[in-house]
Amino acid sequence: AQSVSQHNHHVILSEAASLELGCNYSYGGTVNLFWYVQYPGQHLQLLLKYFSGDPLVKGIKGFEAEFIKSKFSFNLRKPSVQWSDTAEYFCAVNAPNSGGSNYKLTFGKGTLLTVNP
Amino acid sequence: DGGITQSPKYLFRKEGQNVTLSCEQNLNHDAMYWYRQDPGQGLRLIYYSQIVNDFQKGDIAEGYSVSREKKESFPLTVTSAQKNPTAFYLCASSISGRARETQYFGPGTRLLVL
Repeated sequence: AQSVSQHNHHVILSEAASLELGCNYSYGGTVNLFWYVQYPGQHLQLLLKYFSGDPLVKGIKGFEAEFIKSKFSFNLRKPSVQWSDTAEYFCAVNAPNSGGSNYKLTFGKGTLLTVNP
Repeated sequence: DGGITQSPKYLFRKEGQNVTLSCEQNLNHDAMYWYRQDPGQGLRLIYYSQIVNDFQKGDIAEGYSVSREKKESFPLTVTSAQKNPTAFYLCASSISGRARETQYFGPGTRLLVL
């Protein structure tokens, strides 16, 4: 079964600092990759996604992520964070489950980002 | 205003009691999902349904049950067999359950054991 690793449990930055959150997955076949964000008191919402094509994808609010197939990675980046980016970020991979007949979205454990003003 | 609604926002369960969490969507999506979120554990799939009157177990289905009698509704029952039910429960939906679809999430229900 696929697994998703997010290496940083809690990241604390000052405003204007650059951000990179790591995400690695275990599945060796074709994958569909997502980053979701959960702002305090709000619904979990999609930040960006990658299916195929240009491995550098851009999402909402200035976020981007790069798919590196050889490293099984899909790291999230933002050049300059704002206080409003304080949230929990989840990487997720959609790949066939163990039976191969259905796809399942597997989430990482999340990274809590705190941005200090 | 389209979206997913979950109720109640907070739910308290006594020992040995079954409780049901509501999830309704007006997005006309075929697929619906239930996840459990624990601090530092991410989201884990409990059950999912890709069509009315059909559903499949996810990774942590023990102690839970679901029904899908209507397209827009996917209630989750936390039974007394679930020994550690305290968690944040999220309902989601997608168009048809295919791999490249975005899942849309509701606001969640926090279940606490008295």
